[in-house]
Parts: sequence; C-alpha cells; structure tokens
Amino acid sequence: RKEVEQDPGPFNVPEGATVAFNCTYSNSASQSFFWYRQDCRKEPKLLMSVYSSGNEDGRFTAQLNRASQYISLLIRDSKLSDSATYLCVGSQGNLIFGKGTKLSVKP
Amino acid sequence: DAGVIQSPRHEVTEMGQEVTLRCKPISGHNSLFWYRQTMMRGLELLIYFNNNVPIDDSGMPEDRFSAKMPNASFSTLKIQPSEPRDSAVYFCASRIYTGELFFGEGSRLTVL
Repeated sequence: RKEVEQDPGPFNVPEGATVAFNCTYSNSASQSFFWYRQDCRKEPKLLMSVYSSGNEDGRFTAQLNRASQYISLLIRDSKLSDSATYLCVGSQGNLIFGKGTKLSVKP
Repeated sequence: DAGVIQSPRHEVTEMGQEVTLRCKPISGHNSLFWYRQTMMRGLELLIYFNNNVPIDDSGMPEDRFSAKMPNASFSTLKIQPSEPRDSAVYFCASRIYTGELFFGEGSRLTVL
C-alpha cells in the first residue's frame, strides 16, 4: 500500500519560475499534513505544515483539499537554492511520506 | 542542542552478518520513528514508538528486522541475517507529540 502519492518529476524550471507540486493521500483519516525538503544525501527537514485554510511562508504556499484528498505546494520566484526533493507527509499518529518530487532550478 | 544522533553513519557488511543501527532521539521527545530510504521505494516507515512502546511495526519487512527502545534515550534497529536488498539509508527521527519531526543524518548500509 502507498498511502501518499506524488509525481516524482523531475521538474526542471528556470530561475524566477512558479512551480506547483501536488500530492494525493488515500487515508481520509489522516489528520495533519506537512511538506519536507530533502537535499541530496541529506536528511529531510520540515519546510512547512499544511493547514486547512491554506498557509503561506514567503515564496511558499501550501494548500489542503480534504474533499479531493490532496495537498499542494506552490513555489513562486524559484531560486537556484530551491533545487531539492520535496516530500509530502500525511499523519494519523504515524507519518507516511510520499516518494518525493525532485525540483531542479536552472539559471 | 544536539539533534537526533545515529550510528554508525556508514556500514559495509557481508550478506548473512548481523547489523545493528543505533539512535539517540532528542531529549524530551516522546515519539521515535525508523525509516528506510531507497531510490526505488522512497522513504518507508518501518516502525514507530510512543513513550518507548512500539505502536505500529507493520512496515517492518520481515522477521529479519527487529527494533527496540529500552528507554527514552535509545533505540536500536537490528537486521539478522542481512541481505543485499537491505542496502539503503536508514533514518531515525523523533518528535514531541504532534510537533515537527526531526531526522538524524542517517545510517548508510551496504550489504555485499
């Protein structure tokens, strides 16, 4: 079973582009959601939590759609330093990660 | 403050050998998670503990894998006997209640 599904990418975008990732989840009982960022050969680190009302942190916006069971991450004005793998996570006590979406931002 | 500490960082062993991975969670955290990451399967949850008690071990691949948490500051993941398909990066992570999950730097295991 894979409870959380993501498009693996890679997404190759130029600097300054806006890019969006979606993630679907199958367990409707999942209570909380997060986006994590993982750099090559490093551990995942929390990027942002996802709230039902949507939330924004600088250039990053996260949305949750419970009816359709997906979460999204929007990155505006992408930077070279945004290049990484982005993992979505659903939680119902446990924390189930998607396989990640790889983003490469090119000059 | 120290983060999640894992050891060893790298291990190369031969098929059939026992492997023990160790984790020290962040002090005060009450939940501990073990994950395995490969290119093919991504980050898989193996087992997690709340207050040192295993809550969900449905992700443990088979009987060759076992995990223990004898106290709040230490956990082990053991593979016996190891097989080449166990080669992966094993992450330990901890959090307090429903807070942010903090990962260790991982243990990179290669089974020849």
